[in-house]
Amino acid sequence: KQEVTQIPAALSVPEGENLVLNCSFTDSAIYNLQWFRQDPGKGLTSLLLIQSSQREQTSGRLNASLDKSSGRSTLYIAASQPGDSATYLCAVQTYNQGGKLIFGQGTELSVKP
Amino acid sequence: DARVTQTPRDKVTEMGQEVTMRCQPILGHNTVFWYRQTMMQGLELLAYFRNRAPLDDSGMPKDRFSAEMPDATLATLKIQPSEPRDSAVYFCASGLHGQETQYFGPGTRLLVL
Repeated sequence: KQEVTQIPAALSVPEGENLVLNCSFTDSAIYNLQWFRQDPGKGLTSLLLIQSSQREQTSGRLNASLDKSSGRSTLYIAASQPGDSATYLCAVQTYNQGGKLIFGQGTELSVKP
Repeated sequence: DARVTQTPRDKVTEMGQEVTMRCQPILGHNTVFWYRQTMMQGLELLAYFRNRAPLDDSGMPKDRFSAEMPDATLATLKIQPSEPRDSAVYFCASGLHGQETQYFGPGTRLLVL
């Protein structure tokens, strides 16, 4: 059974810092991994999607890496801003699951001005 | 600006009452997912449909939950009878088969007293 774990559960940093969020998964037979952002009381917004054949994806100040063999992904946020404060979730899709996303518990990020 | 809509946004009800949540997927999307989010369990898939046909509802308590797609523009999730442990945020997401990105609605926050 696929399990997704995110560390840390919460993180508080001063504005301007670079930071890394971690995600690990137990079954390496995934066909993609996604990072989402969730603001309080809101739905999820997809940030980055990495196919299993890819090593990383970049969007603006965000960079996500994937090491499928070790079951790990990281989300790197450069020059953090207060507007980055949110919960970040990673999720995997596995073969023969029809698109079902298995989510981690999320990392709650707070960026202080 | 295409987006997934959900109604109601908030629902407070008493134990034993029927609850119906509605979702309008993005026009043209042929896959619809229902997720539930709680503090304890995080985000879990309840059911999903492709081309209006249910493909997987293994995450849903069958005795009280039911999910349907009366037409391509409407998905419903019903709980009858509701229980306090059903209190959660219920998200609907839609996507296009063959493209992995799922677009989430804002959620229905359910409180069962």
